[in-house]
Amino acid sequence: AQTVTQSQPEMSVQEAETVTLSCTYDTSESDYYLFWYKQPPSRQMILVIRQEAYKQQNATENRFSVNFQKAAKSFSLKISDSQLGDAAMYFCACSGSARQLTFGSGTQLTVLP
Amino acid sequence: SQTIHQWPATLVQPVGSPLSLECTVEGTSNPNLYWYRQAAGRGLQLLFYSVGIGQISSEVPQNLSASRPQDRQFILSSKKLLLSDSGFYLCAWSSGPLGSPLHFGNGTRLTVT
Repeated sequence: AQTVTQSQPEMSVQEAETVTLSCTYDTSESDYYLFWYKQPPSRQMILVIRQEAYKQQNATENRFSVNFQKAAKSFSLKISDSQLGDAAMYFCACSGSARQLTFGSGTQLTVLP
Repeated sequence: SQTIHQWPATLVQPVGSPLSLECTVEGTSNPNLYWYRQAAGRGLQLLFYSVGIGQISSEVPQNLSASRPQDRQFILSSKKLLLSDSGFYLCAWSSGPLGSPLHFGNGTRLTVT
């Protein structure tokens, strides 16, 4: 079983600036995966980025990148050059051998023009 | 390509009435299927998941049940709704291998009055 903690209920960023969303997790498994999902006002859950725990290299997807600190069980999401369309609820999630995703409570990101 | 359909989008039901939410996946076979519930402003809670026809695992004891009558069909049901069943219900699928991301439907907003 996994637990995922997002300690920032709300964050804001100025358009074109960079913001980092925090996430910590706990798992007893050695083989697991971490995800960030975005939920805009439409409430559609959109996969942002995925990280394999066995890979030391941080995943990147265009303006989105992660800082994966395995020993600290930390998995933060960095959004560069923030855009108005990035405004959404962001969820961190972890999956292991059970093929289920355990989600954090989310961080509501506001992008200020 | 794969698509997931979930309906209805919105539902208002009185306490004590039955419930049936349906989800179907196209473009893939033998997917893992999931039902999640999201309370207002909160994270996602896994309710049920299925790795095959007739195989349902329940994560949380509750007033709800799930069935998988066909490979790509997943149904969430209740015989008698409670006020506490109100929420946003999301169906999702994954291809199965460890680390596969979940792909979500558009969700159903259920209000029990």
